[in-house]
Order: sequence, then C-alpha cells, then structure tokens
Amino acid sequence: QKEVEQDPGPLSVPEGAIVSLNCTYSNSAFQYFMWYRQYSRKGPELLMYTYSSGNKEDGRFTAQVDKSSKYISLFIRDSQPSDSATYLCAMTGETGGFKTIFGAGTRLFVKA
Amino acid sequence: DADVTQTPRNRITKTGKRIMLECSQTKGHDRMYWYRQDPGLGLRLIYYSFDVKDINKGEISDGYSVSRQAQAKFSLSLESAIPNQTALYFCATSDHYEQFFGPGTRLTVL
Repeated sequence: QKEVEQDPGPLSVPEGAIVSLNCTYSNSAFQYFMWYRQYSRKGPELLMYTYSSGNKEDGRFTAQVDKSSKYISLFIRDSQPSDSATYLCAMTGETGGFKTIFGAGTRLFVKA
Repeated sequence: DADVTQTPRNRITKTGKRIMLECSQTKGHDRMYWYRQDPGLGLRLIYYSFDVKDINKGEISDGYSVSRQAQAKFSLSLESAIPNQTALYFCATSDHYEQFFGPGTRLTVL
C-alpha cells in the first residue's frame, strides 16, 4: 500500500463548477497536510496547508483534513480556466525531519 | 531572479552516457532534495540532504548519485544513463514544511 493515494484523473469540469480533489494516507504521524499546484512546464508551488485536523479557507479554495479517516480534500469553488493544472497532495511531519510524501497528482481541466 | 534554479532545462542523451544535473538556491535553506516526476507516479524522492555533510538516499536512489558542494548547490549525477531514467527532474529546498521547487529538467535518454 502506498503511503499516499491520489487519483491521477484527468478531471474535466465546466467553468464555474465546484471541484473536489482528495487523497488518502496511511501514516498517522503526518502533521502538515498540503496542496501543491503545478502548471504545465513549471515546478510545484504550495497552494495551501493545514496543520493537524480541520478546515482552512483561502478565497475560492478550502482544504479539509480528517485525521480519523486519514482523508484530505481540496475544494475549488467557482472554478476558472486558470485553475487548470495538476494538484498534488503532500504530507509531512517532524518525525522523519519533515521529509515530504507526495500524491501522484490530479490533472484538472476547467473548460471555458 | 528565481530562488531555485536548475541547469540544464532540457537534455537529450544516449544510453551509457554520464550526465549531471545542477541545482542552485538563494533561499539560504539547509535542506535540499532531488525528485523525479513520471506520469501517474507523482514526485518520487531520489536523494536528500539536510546540510552539507548529510546526504541520504530516497526511495529510488539506484542508478543515481549526488554531491552537495555548498549550502546553495546540490548536483545529481547519472553515472550511466538508461532509457527508464527518462523523466522530469526537480530540485527543491525547504527549512520547514514547505518545499520550494526549481523549474525542472526534462531528461530524455535514448
């Protein structure tokens, strides 16, 4: 079993749709739960992070962590064509010195 | 100027050739990483370094070696390239939970 499971997609939605991206994980030691966004021909960049459980909102983006289920989600409201990218979930913690484990990435296409 | 730079950005080489990918960072971070990215497999850790004297293997280090020349420089070498090392390679730095990535090197081994 992989430490982090993420459906690679691709996921295609119309502009304005609500997008839900998800990952499951197996290591209960993870403390930081992150979402990176990667545009074509670019390196990944941190989009949002959550420490431990709970929700975090930033504009049209909401990150959720459910540690009891080992499940994390990223919601994108009112999706825009500029949101078209690959979204990678990632997890890390102090145990292991913040070595980060990445999901496979979900490729998202938002059609105008 | 970019915080993390990688050279070359693209490279085509032949089986059996030695190749070096270079990474430099201006963020002042001690921790540096090399990943490869393949479709459907995400980012896989090749090697990481927590400071100049500390080098560690990642999950897929076979066929690769690294050198940490200074806090700001971390190089990845393929001693004898093979076609299944064709991939997108990323260097990254961090000082806590967030990693900062370079623009990547697209390597093709024929």
